[in-house]
Amino acid sequence: NAGVMQNPRHLVRRRGQEARLRCSPMKGHSHVYWYRQLPEEGLKFMVYLQKENIIDESGMPKERFSAEFPKEGPSILRIQQVVRGDSAAYFCASSPRTSGGPSEQYFGPGTRLTVT
Amino acid sequence: GQSLEQPSEVTAVEGAIVQINCTYQTSGFYGLSWYQQHDGGAPTFLSYNALDGLEETGRFSSFLSRSDSYGYLLLQELQMKDSASYFCAVYFTGNTPLVFGKGTRLSVIA
Repeated sequence: NAGVMQNPRHLVRRRGQEARLRCSPMKGHSHVYWYRQLPEEGLKFMVYLQKENIIDESGMPKERFSAEFPKEGPSILRIQQVVRGDSAAYFCASSPRTSGGPSEQYFGPGTRLTVT
Repeated sequence: GQSLEQPSEVTAVEGAIVQINCTYQTSGFYGLSWYQQHDGGAPTFLSYNALDGLEETGRFSSFLSRSDSYGYLLLQELQMKDSASYFCAVYFTGNTPLVFGKGTRLSVIA
């Protein structure tokens, strides 16, 4: 059973370009979470999605950031018009059901975004 | 507000025991989790406490006291490979999934 897959692992973008990060959850998992991690910091929740639904986007900036989890295919985190402050590691995690009860989320290897 | 506090750095000797504390402020939550993250790697799940008390998994144990808003991760028989960052995380009541502390960087020395 493959784990959570993220691609690309490293992404370099110039200021003003778009960054598109992909996440394929573990097989059988229908809940996806995106987190951002700055150097020497903890992970900050961004958005929680189920298939075709955004459940909680309270941690995602209102402008330039969007996320989707279509019926088919991976979850996508899109950052438009990137700025240097967007440089960070972006982790995707999946779980088989809501976070209200179970203890464990499975994390992907992350995408390290560098904005030049 | 909702926040978790943990020490930023801890150093311990190989073979020893180390305890990493986590205190939190919240009006209610489901449970306390611990994650390990090596430099450049992804967080990996270590343990979860839904109830007060001690949970043991091999060399790692985790403890929770809801009345004291406090928990800790205990690592025994430290090995060099245990050098990593350790994060406590909680599921608060409501829709927010995991809220992480800022992490404790553990350095194991010979």
